[in-house]
Amino acid sequence: DIQMTQSPSSLSASVGDRVTITCQASRDISGYLNWYQQTPGRAPKLLIYDTLSLRRGVPSRFTGSGNGTDFSFTISSLQPEDFVTYFCQQYESLPITFGRGTRLDMK
Amino acid sequence: EVDLVESGGGVVLPGGSLRLSCAASELNYDYFAMHWVRQTPGQGLEWVAGMGWNSDKGEYADSVKGRFTISRDNAKHSVYLQMSSLRPEDTAIYYCAKAMDNYVGSGVDVWGQGTTVTVSS
Repeated sequence: DIQMTQSPSSLSASVGDRVTITCQASRDISGYLNWYQQTPGRAPKLLIYDTLSLRRGVPSRFTGSGNGTDFSFTISSLQPEDFVTYFCQQYESLPITFGRGTRLDMK
Repeated sequence: EVDLVESGGGVVLPGGSLRLSCAASELNYDYFAMHWVRQTPGQGLEWVAGMGWNSDKGEYADSVKGRFTISRDNAKHSVYLQMSSLRPEDTAIYYCAKAMDNYVGSGVDVWGQGTTVTVSS
C-alpha cells in the first residue's frame, strides 16, 4: 500500500496569511493526487485534482503542485471560512490512501 | 453535480450484519465507478471498497475483504455495501463516493453526507 505522510497535522494562522501543507507518498504516484477540504460534520469537498487542477467553482487562492512523491497545497490568502481540515488522497493504485489531515486553526 | 444520499447505518452487535445503500440523484452516475470510504477520529479516512461502472467485481481493502461486498444497480442509480461479521473496529462514518472516471482506480470527486455505523455490544 502507498503511505501518504501529510504535514503538519495542525497549523495556526491568521486571516490573510499564506499557508502550505505537504503530502509525501511512499513511492512515485505519477501525479495522481487530490486535495480535499472538510468542515466538521460535513462530507469532504474536492478542491484540487490531478495534483494541480482546480475544480470548477473553487476559489483561485487554492493551488496544488508537486510530482513524484512530494506534493504541496497552498492557500494564498486565508479567508475565515478556510479554517477547517484538509487532506490529500492518492489514486495511483489500490488501495486508495489518504493523508491523516491538517487542521487549520485561527491564531 | 450529482448528489449522493446514504442510508442504512445504525447500531449492530459484533458479528452482525448491515447493508448500506447509496442513491445518486443523476443518471450520469451510471458511467462512473463508485467507492465506499469510512472515517474515524482515530484512524482518519480509509478506502473500503470500489466498483467500476459496468463491473460485477468489487475491489476491497484487506481489512474488509471476505466480510464486505459492494454491489450496484444502475437501473436504480444505487450502490450498496453489504457488511457482515462486523467488528468493533468497523465503527465509523461510511461515505459513498463517486469516482472521477469509470474505472475503480480513479480518485473521488463527490461524497455523500455519510451514514454512521456503530458496532458494539
